[in-house]
Amino acid sequence: QSVLTQPPSASGTPGQRVTISCSGSRSNIGSNTVIWYQQLPGTTPKLLIYSTNQRPSGVPDRFSGSKSGTSASLAISGLQSEDEADYYCAAWDDTLHAVVFGGGTKLTVL
Amino acid sequence: QVQLVQSGAEVKKPGASVKVSCKASGYNLSSYGITWVRQAPGQGLEWMGWITTYNVNTNYAQNLQGRVTMATDSSSSTAYMELRSLRSDDTAVYYCARVGSKYGADAFDIWGQGTMVTVS
Repeated sequence: QSVLTQPPSASGTPGQRVTISCSGSRSNIGSNTVIWYQQLPGTTPKLLIYSTNQRPSGVPDRFSGSKSGTSASLAISGLQSEDEADYYCAAWDDTLHAVVFGGGTKLTVL
Repeated sequence: QVQLVQSGAEVKKPGASVKVSCKASGYNLSSYGITWVRQAPGQGLEWMGWITTYNVNTNYAQNLQGRVTMATDSSSSTAYMELRSLRSDDTAVYYCARVGSKYGADAFDIWGQGTMVTVS
């Protein structure tokens, strides 16, 4: 049981816009920034979004992050086949004194 | 080229210990923290803890307290994670990652390739 809640799966067709949600609580998302990681099949996780809505250099601007209250979202516009991957949200939790992850969302490009 | 290179796969008996190494290159290990994250087969990511700059502080996940130790050796630019009293549910890929870069104190920007630890 993950502290942050994500839908197990999401899907979209090429060119579409998809969003992945991440639900938490006041002690994590409600108080701290949200991080998103992308894990392509068989590979190492990659930092995708930091500080809730910032992209590291090299990450396309098709990826964007946002937060409202105790929930966060990752949006991917202009969906491409290479976006098929597992996506994880994460945040620091002030009560647990730990980084907490969501369970991950498997994105399928139809 | 900034990278973290981990030691090879391990197979351990229940009750044994494992020590995984993570060698940094292309940057000064002492200038950043190192975190450890594990991923059981077919499962999600689980944060294990981290060690901050110059071994000033460690912070371990509550469920691993007493079984895990993280350390760094600046002379060899290598970080280590030792997990003791291994159980079957410790079977996972173990990743080290850099923390504390320009992307923030809680963002892991460089990851090792992962080390498979099998407990059987």
